Amino acid sequence: DSGVTQTPKHLITATGQRVTLRCSPRSGDLSVYWYQQSLDQGLQFLIQYYNGEERAKGNILERFSAQQFPDLHSELNLSSLELGDSALYFCASSVAQGGGEGYTFGSGTRLTVV
Amino acid sequence: EDQVTQSPEALRLQEGESSSLNCSYTVSGLRGLFWYRQDPGKGPEFLFTLYSAGEEKEKERLKATLTKKESFLHITAPKPEDSATYLCAVQANQAGTALIFGKGTTLSVSS
Repeated sequence: DSGVTQTPKHLITATGQRVTLRCSPRSGDLSVYWYQQSLDQGLQFLIQYYNGEERAKGNILERFSAQQFPDLHSELNLSSLELGDSALYFCASSVAQGGGEGYTFGSGTRLTVV
Repeated sequence: EDQVTQSPEALRLQEGESSSLNCSYTVSGLRGLFWYRQDPGKGPEFLFTLYSAGEEKEKERLKATLTKKESFLHITAPKPEDSATYLCAVQANQAGTALIFGKGTTLSVSS
């Protein structure tokens, strides 16, 4: 157990729907990162939050949004889902905003859009 | 554009057959280079961080090295339990804290 908790582990939904993925960071970590992993693209950075504020944005679609709450857990919201959104979504956390020491990843949420 | 390329995509070894995985990178100012191990259906597990050319880190049968353009992950006398996908990532000075990952090398070690 890495200490980073993601729920749910698996999610199957239809095109056009909206889902919410949840992440609880490791105790003491203030930064949360979201990554998408598909077979052809590898791990792609989506967005980072530090202590409740957005810090960096990657290749995140406008249909996707995220937030980090006062208790530091984070949610990734995916709307108007398309077949191509099927992927593994990982959350990672680190102590500092810099993250230079590396992240700790959760075990991921596997999203299947049918 | 910051970029990470890993080779080979897949590698099959016999138990005890040493080899190396390559990670070539292009980044506008390297803050750090990271190696992760990922087992099927699980999240990446941190292995090493390298910060400057010439640096080396070791852990059991794994040794990571860094030059100004690439990093190598050397696997000495691998065992079947070393089978996994090995991911390389870089963090650039200007890119905040996001790690840019390569697509990985999938290693299979047979007994």
